[in-house]
Amino acid sequence: GQQLNQSPQSMFIQEGEDVSMNCTSSSIFNTWLWYKQDPGEGPVLLIALYKAGELTSNGRLTAQFGITRKDSFLNISASIPSDVGIYFCADNNAGNMLTFGGGTRLMVKP
Amino acid sequence: ETGVTQSPTHLIKTRGQQVTLRCSSQSGHNTVSWYQQALGQGPQFIFQYYREEENGRGNFPPRFSGLQFPNYSSELNVNALELDDSALYLCASSRQGKYEQYFGPGTRLTVT
Repeated sequence: GQQLNQSPQSMFIQEGEDVSMNCTSSSIFNTWLWYKQDPGEGPVLLIALYKAGELTSNGRLTAQFGITRKDSFLNISASIPSDVGIYFCADNNAGNMLTFGGGTRLMVKP
Repeated sequence: ETGVTQSPTHLIKTRGQQVTLRCSSQSGHNTVSWYQQALGQGPQFIFQYYREEENGRGNFPPRFSGLQFPNYSSELNVNALELDDSALYLCASSRQGKYEQYFGPGTRLTVT
């Protein structure tokens, strides 16, 4: 089956920094969904992408659907402490089931 | 607009027991999907319900079963619990034909 690889697996952020993470697939995707999950909570949908090359923003978040349809990136500008959490990319190619990547964990620099 | 709700929040069961988890979908949504999330991993699709019937299933054994009711709420039932069933169980609702799914807060199940 298809696999989603997210990188980096974890990263430290300092308030005010820009953050970038990406997701790659072994197969072509029709959709990319980006979610954020806080500890003990369910994932919250941040951005949905539907077309190759599509660039979509949601506040300080920007995500792009790669031209090859096998990758996507998520950028966070001017990070703030509440950006800490786990970010997941997901695909809904089958029309009903979401397939998730392993997640990128954002932590605050000590 | 009411979001997705799940109950209970936490549950502790013994190996071999049975458990029922409940989910109320977001208003306007007619489809419910269930996911299992082990610690440190992404959610794994269990199954989806639409029009009170199963509409797709992931790689989970038959002892995982579900129901959807006329008001679109849903139950997840797990029989013969195993230690590996310990996880966060997430319910997500959506409109049929739409790719976006919206998650509830989850039920933390611990099997001892």
